[in-house]
Amino acid sequence: GENVEQHPSTLSVQEGDSAVIKCTYSDSASNYFPWYKQELGKRPQLIIDIRSNVGEKKDQRIAVTLNKTAKHFSLHITETQPEDSAVYFCAASVLRGGNKLVFGAGTILRVKS
Amino acid sequence: DAMVIQNPRYQVTQFGKPVTLSCSQTLNHNVMYWYQQKSSQAPKLLFHYYDKDFNNEADTPDNFQSRRPNTSFCFLDIRSPGLGDAAMYLCATSQTSGSSYNEQFFGPGTRLTVL
Repeated sequence: GENVEQHPSTLSVQEGDSAVIKCTYSDSASNYFPWYKQELGKRPQLIIDIRSNVGEKKDQRIAVTLNKTAKHFSLHITETQPEDSAVYFCAASVLRGGNKLVFGAGTILRVKS
Repeated sequence: DAMVIQNPRYQVTQFGKPVTLSCSQTLNHNVMYWYQQKSSQAPKLLFHYYDKDFNNEADTPDNFQSRRPNTSFCFLDIRSPGLGDAAMYLCATSQTSGSSYNEQFFGPGTRLTVL
């Protein structure tokens, strides 16, 4: 089945710097890759997603890149702000055995002001 | 304009006492999911309904059951809660068809405490 690995597990950056979180997946049939942000005590919320027919997608300070050949995708946050501090989860879609997402283990991002 | 609603938000139960968590949605999505999330961990999928079709995860204990009486509602039943079942339970929905996968919308979660 699908396996998603996420690195790093924790990331500390200075306010204004960039942050990059990387994920790899194993199932070449996966075609949808979302990123969720979860603040303490709150629900995961989608911040950006990408489909397999696109290599890069950007939304203001957030961008995601996808390399289908290497089976990895990355989240890029530029000009980080303290409110970006949260846990970030990547995920990959699985269509065999149902329609579901397999999540990475998460990255705790701390933005120091 | 709540989209995925979970009740209750906090549930306290005693060891071994059955408990039911509920989820409802106003999105008319065809897929509903139940996740268990423990502190500092990723959400762990327990099972999901694709329309009326139930899909159980291989490692979901038999202690966990689910019902989806209609499109809008889905329930999680924990037949005999143990201390290890204390967690946040998240419901999510998505509109998915064939090979096209779309965003999952999460509810606010139910925090379960087992005494």
